[in-house]
Amino acid sequence: DTAVSQTPKYLVTQMGNDKSIKCEQNLGHDTMYWYKQDSKKFLKIMFSYNNKELIINETVPNRFSPKSPDKAHLNLHINSLELGDSAVYFCASSQETSYLDPSSTDTQYFGPGTRLTVL
Amino acid sequence: GENVEQHPSTLSVQEGDSAVIKCTYSDSASNYFPWYKQELGKRPQLIIDIRSNVGEKKDQRIAVTLNKTAKHFSLHITETQPEDSAVYFCAARGGLILTGGGNKLTFGTGTQLKVEL
Repeated sequence: DTAVSQTPKYLVTQMGNDKSIKCEQNLGHDTMYWYKQDSKKFLKIMFSYNNKELIINETVPNRFSPKSPDKAHLNLHINSLELGDSAVYFCASSQETSYLDPSSTDTQYFGPGTRLTVL
Repeated sequence: GENVEQHPSTLSVQEGDSAVIKCTYSDSASNYFPWYKQELGKRPQLIIDIRSNVGEKKDQRIAVTLNKTAKHFSLHITETQPEDSAVYFCAARGGLILTGGGNKLTFGTGTQLKVEL
């Protein structure tokens, strides 16, 4: 009954390769996110999708391309991997709520993370 | 956009003592402030959150306070235990309409809490 799952858990690859990370949530949430956590533990949002539509796109190289086939899935494809891409990538999801409603619930639930190592 | 600063970066306390972690934010339109705990090799997990219409919230040994005027919020852990050892992140949800920040969380840089026996 895992809420937010990611595959693979570990990914080791050579520079220049293309790889994908998959994320699925069974919470019925409308919004999904990708975060990058670097070696210093900084957590930074990369993308956010709401009902398959891209709503947040931070300053991320266009080698990174998210894809959401349906609202329960958000995949991350990375082209031409570089050493600096090595990090832990976390998927997350939340129920879409109104920013204007201060009592709204929009807790973000994180997946287990994918540790990407680029050699 | 939103900028969140978190202090201290490391905190070491004796078991049973209290621990306080402080964060400041820049976007006055921010209205939601969660705290996450991340154990080594695990995912961040929400431990408590507070909204801008509340000044304080408590859940057993954990409490969070919010000062909207000063734009800072704090996590308080009382009677610390070894299992409280982890990295703690504060976060703020930036304004959607006024600043164009979107419904996104900006995280602080994390505090490594170590509870010593």
